Amino acid sequence: DVQVVESGGGVVRPGGSLRLSCAASGFTFDDYGMTWVRQAPGKGLEWVASINWNGGSTGYADSAKGRFTISRDNTKNSLYLQMNSLRAEDTAFYHCARGGGCSSASCLYYLDYWGQGTLVTVSS
Amino acid sequence: QSALTQPASVSGSPGQSITISCTGTSSDVGAYNYVSWYRQHPGKAPKLMIYGVNNRPSGVSNRFSGSKSGNTASLTISGLQAEDEGDYYCFSYTSTMTLWVFGGGTKLTVL
Repeated sequence: DVQVVESGGGVVRPGGSLRLSCAASGFTFDDYGMTWVRQAPGKGLEWVASINWNGGSTGYADSAKGRFTISRDNTKNSLYLQMNSLRAEDTAFYHCARGGGCSSASCLYYLDYWGQGTLVTVSS
Repeated sequence: QSALTQPASVSGSPGQSITISCTGTSSDVGAYNYVSWYRQHPGKAPKLMIYGVNNRPSGVSNRFSGSKSGNTASLTISGLQAEDEGDYYCFSYTSTMTLWVFGGGTKLTVL
């Protein structure tokens, strides 16, 4: 079965950093682009960042540009989100999802498998 | 970037049909057939319901259908059931500096 499982959330002070991880299983990881989506408590979904199959192409929401970096390690079937200069408004559940990017052969223009999310709380 | 526009809430009785709209611009919904829809139950991960405007993933009921006209995409659910309750989000590729944009979400209540 396809699974993506996030980890690395926690409480961090404003201005701090955190690195989220997403472990993928049940599919050939480097055949897919991957995406991070976040959801503040009680709010809607917000696209954060996407990466193609080999990390050669990335995209970021305006709220993430210059502060967040999406990356992947295909040898470890893992996706990452490095978050720096965190702000209170970054407090949210962060979901990892398969799709939203391209492989060497095709593109997945949707998000077909999602993780349950990991909670990031930015607070002093 | 601006979110796609969805109604905040819709409701219907069991057995009825409802439609949720998702209005974007000529840079996103109107430009590409890359609109997808997700349902989210409280405390759960979102689930893909429709992709590519009108395609259903395996396992999704044929009561769910999608369409698009101009800059507005729509999700229609026929034969409403209690399990259809939840929050629904549209999602589209965009040609702006960012790549993807979500709708603000619509809460569906089955009366």
